[in-house]
Amino acid sequence: EDQVTQSPEALRLQEGESSSLNCSYTVSGLRGLFWYRQDPGKGPEFLFTLYSAGEEKEKERLKATLTKKESFLHITAPKPEDSATYLCAVRDNNDMRFGAGTRLTVKP
Amino acid sequence: EAQVTQNPRYLITVTGKKLTVTCSQNMNHEYMSWYRQDPGLGLRQIYYSMNVEVTDKGDVPEGYKVSRKEKRNFPLILESPSPNQTSLYFCASSPTPQGALAQYFGPGTRLLVL
Repeated sequence: EDQVTQSPEALRLQEGESSSLNCSYTVSGLRGLFWYRQDPGKGPEFLFTLYSAGEEKEKERLKATLTKKESFLHITAPKPEDSATYLCAVRDNNDMRFGAGTRLTVKP
Repeated sequence: EAQVTQNPRYLITVTGKKLTVTCSQNMNHEYMSWYRQDPGLGLRQIYYSMNVEVTDKGDVPEGYKVSRKEKRNFPLILESPSPNQTSLYFCASSPTPQGALAQYFGPGTRLLVL
């Protein structure tokens, strides 16, 4: 069965303390891996799409990378406004499968 | 403004009373989808639609119905709601039929079934 597992479940960082979030997946035919940010009480907001192993994408303090079995979301010098839940999703044919998310808290 | 709208945003109902949650997008997207989000389980796909009159089951379709008569609208119907359908529901849309590009999510509908 296709699975998407995110770790850690929760992460607390000090402002400026860089770290990485992990998304590991098992799907029969990956057609895209997506990262979303979700703030409390709101719908997920798109960040990145990665399609093939070795691909990388960056946006401000965030950088997403992809291998054949996992993706990392690297956060460099985070700020308190980066606090949110980060969701990973994979697309296998027509199905979209989400991980449970990593809840990131960045303290000033 | 490009957006996905859902109504109502909050709903309290009783077991067995039929309800409909509406979803509308103004971006001319072909792909639309419904998810439910529960603590510890993440987002789970209920139904999706690749175009008008084309719908298919996601991971958790039991107890739900959908229809796609127009491109912009994708209502979610609970014919006989039960307490285990208490959840946070999101509608989403994507430009491509296969949903391979980013999905744009609505603000969510919080449903409580007593």
